[in-house]
Amino acid sequence: DADVTQTPRNRITKTGKRIMLECSQTKGHDRMYWYRQDPGLGLRLIYYSFDVKDINKGEISDGYSVSRQAQAKFSLSLESAIPNQTALYFCATSDQAGSSYNEQFFGPGTRLTVL
Amino acid sequence: GDSVTQMEGPVTLSEEACLTINCTYTATGYPSLFWYVQYPGEGLQLLLKATKADDKGSNKGFEATYRKETTSFHLEKGSVQVSDSAVYFCALRVYNQGGKLIFGQGTELSVKP
Repeated sequence: DADVTQTPRNRITKTGKRIMLECSQTKGHDRMYWYRQDPGLGLRLIYYSFDVKDINKGEISDGYSVSRQAQAKFSLSLESAIPNQTALYFCATSDQAGSSYNEQFFGPGTRLTVL
Repeated sequence: GDSVTQMEGPVTLSEEACLTINCTYTATGYPSLFWYVQYPGEGLQLLLKATKADDKGSNKGFEATYRKETTSFHLEKGSVQVSDSAVYFCALRVYNQGGKLIFGQGTELSVKP
């Protein structure tokens, strides 16, 4: 089974709709991240969380909110979706210690289209 | 602020050709540097990393050396294969800000038989 899973993998929605993207991890990592990927822009950080009680805005948090329901779960919400939020969204996790220090592990991505 | 700049793609090469993808960075402090690879339809996975100046990261025939004097971390491979076709991202870990990464815009590589 994959260590970092995202649901749904693909979603088409309409302008103004509320949508939630979910991320779960079995790696036992304390840190989780949400990025969006746009062609020619690379990945940009939306929100990140260092533990359940620690949520931080990234560089492009406007129009998004997050919830860290448990150490293993980190959800991204679009309260009122708009077309320029059409993108590929990635969840990632990292550990602050051990051999994987510094490395982020990515989920497979969610392709979101807002019409 | 901290940033990463990569050479623009797409890059198209024939099998067994040499590859260089340029990456330069701007950062305060002493960042760690990374190359991630994204194969078609998949998420990103770490290809190699370097945590201090003059370190060389290597994996799967790819190499990159952390050059503090030129603020660069160019990705190189001596002989590419069709299976190397992917998008490559250079990234830096922001100094003293937890695990945050800043990514370059990505470079698409296409290797033809």
